[in-house]
Amino acid sequence: KAGVTQTPRYLIKTRGQQVTLSCSPISGHRSVSWYQQTPGQGLQFLFEYFSETQRNKGNFPGRFSGRQFSNSRSEMNVSTLELGDSALYLCASSLGSGGVYEQYFGPGTRLTVT
Amino acid sequence: AQTVTQSQPEMSVQEAETVTLSCTYDTSESDYYLFWYKQPPSRQMILVIRQEAYKQQNATENRFSVNFQKAAKSFSLKISDSQLGDAAMYFCAYRRPNAGGTSYGKLTFGQGTILTVHP
Repeated sequence: KAGVTQTPRYLIKTRGQQVTLSCSPISGHRSVSWYQQTPGQGLQFLFEYFSETQRNKGNFPGRFSGRQFSNSRSEMNVSTLELGDSALYLCASSLGSGGVYEQYFGPGTRLTVT
Repeated sequence: AQTVTQSQPEMSVQEAETVTLSCTYDTSESDYYLFWYKQPPSRQMILVIRQEAYKQQNATENRFSVNFQKAAKSFSLKISDSQLGDAAMYFCAYRRPNAGGTSYGKLTFGQGTILTVHP
């Protein structure tokens, strides 16, 4: 089975621009979660989608948004980029929502904002 | 809110030796899941081991085992017969069970411990 894929792997954007990151979960997985990883803040939860519905959202400004499609693929959007948004964005998929289901991570998208 | 603390920013071990990584957490819940993830330089997060809080028996996966002390809210990872490929950042993480309310799907991570393995 193919693993979680994320595109693009690397991205360089300018302050004020917006960006869309994509995540394709493992086949059959219906839950997709997004995390931001930075040296200063560590790994922080952004949001989780399950069956096209946002189940939970972390403590991030409204500039961060996401969605999930009927095939479980998910996109994350960041508008009006700031320098502090530079980070590794990780996506994880699982069969269902909740702790009983293991999360499998993708390789991440490295976003650099200049 | 749940918190996870890893008090060892860096650890080192000689190849073939044993090392233990520490993790403590804070929660008011009685049922939850705990995980250790490994993140090598490739940045791919890999699940190493998982523990269910309602199980008293410590989880074991080959050379990896945990010491789960529920009352002390402690969850350490022991790596036996360390190999060069074990060198990575290790994260301890907490996750709520599949219950109602918020925090669905949310993994709460510790700050991470960088493990160096010396040949």
